[in-house]
Amino acid sequence: AQSVAQPEDQVNVAEGNPLTVKCTYSVSGNPYLFWYVQYPNRGLQFLLKYITGDNLVKGSYGFEAEFNKSQTSFHLKKPSALVSDSALYFCAVRDGDNYGQNFVFGPGTRLSVLP
Amino acid sequence: GAVVSQHPSRVICKSGTSVKIECRSLDFQATTMFWYRQFPKQSLMLMATSNEGSKATYEQGVEKDKFLINHASLTLSTLTVTSAHPEDSSFYICSARARNLETQYFGPGTRLLVL
Repeated sequence: AQSVAQPEDQVNVAEGNPLTVKCTYSVSGNPYLFWYVQYPNRGLQFLLKYITGDNLVKGSYGFEAEFNKSQTSFHLKKPSALVSDSALYFCAVRDGDNYGQNFVFGPGTRLSVLP
Repeated sequence: GAVVSQHPSRVICKSGTSVKIECRSLDFQATTMFWYRQFPKQSLMLMATSNEGSKATYEQGVEKDKFLINHASLTLSTLTVTSAHPEDSSFYICSARARNLETQYFGPGTRLLVL
């Protein structure tokens, strides 16, 4: 079975400061990990993914995430937050050994970047 | 990235009527499409998965006779909410995935309000 935890419902950070949105996962097979962002009344926008290769993945809008196999984590980071980054962020995992397996989403973390 | 469109973006209907929502993959062939429902301030709930040309697979607790899904082509899936009731009011999001892509791409969502 797969599961995703995002331990923080809300993250507040000042503009210009670094931000981290945490994600831990559980999957029986090979983890395929994803981050999506959702703005109010909109669908999800793909930010980045880890399939294989370098543990540090760079994505859209200056975001990056680090895959840590031993800690089963895939935290989302950005060196300098913008007010426009304020949104709802979802981490998702899929079992890469089973193509038919669906995504499992975390509960979401609301990021507020304060000016 | 790949583009997924949804139509309509917003619909208001009377109780007892049926509503059809279209989901299109604009620049890739979607072998699999997913329909999600999202309640306010909550994560996405997978309703059903459909593969082109075959019947949809519904998640437990989702009424297949109420939420009719048709995946008639590799670029189009439709969700019809039959005999809609106020409790069906929600944000419906579709997602699509191509056979050679690990990533799911999401539509912008449809806000349904049943009066």
